[in-house]
Amino acid sequence: SAVISQKPSRDICQRGTSLTIQCQVDSQVTMMFWYRQQPGQSLTLIATANQGSEATYESGFVIDKFPISRPNLTFSTLTVSNMSPEDSSIYLCSVQDNTEAFFGQGTRLTVV
Amino acid sequence: QQQVKQSPQSLIVQKGGIPIINCAYENTAFDYFPWYQQFPGKGPALLIAIRPDVSEKKEGRFTISFNKSAKQFSLHIMDSQPGDSATYFCAANSGGSNYKLTFGKGTLLTVNP
Repeated sequence: SAVISQKPSRDICQRGTSLTIQCQVDSQVTMMFWYRQQPGQSLTLIATANQGSEATYESGFVIDKFPISRPNLTFSTLTVSNMSPEDSSIYLCSVQDNTEAFFGQGTRLTVV
Repeated sequence: QQQVKQSPQSLIVQKGGIPIINCAYENTAFDYFPWYQQFPGKGPALLIAIRPDVSEKKEGRFTISFNKSAKQFSLHIMDSQPGDSATYFCAANSGGSNYKLTFGKGTLLTVNP
């Protein structure tokens, strides 16, 4: 199994600012995934982050809004840029070990 | 277009009851069907998963029933406990080592003492 640490666990941000969320895994993984979970809702995949290449974004998500870095096999960051109240959500980092997906505890973001 | 439909949205049972959560999928390429349990303030955690070559899988008090022809699968929780109160998500993917999970909308389960 993989242990995933996300920072920060929560934040309250002003609209128009940006927040970078960090995800650290205790083992090397090829692919990391970033999800958004809006209050009381399901998980929506934002992008898949590969080490050494650009992230692959899902429909409705763009790099300018959610830039992702993946500098090595155990770490990734997701930035939420130019935030608006609609970005208030839980952001989750995930990795895969064969078929099982592991999730971090999430970052609860509130934009005011 | 939602590829995995989950119901009910919420469910309340008494301790010892058997809550059942249902999911239906459309993509016949899906071949892995996990269930995740999420407590408030935590990330989802894998509970149990099934592949379409079996019709049922049990792990402790949790059972998945799978109907390939109907493209449906369900989670049963035997002898439910208040500690089972959580949000449950079904999911599906089309396999491979770099898959992407498609999640249902979730079911908020409350087990009353």
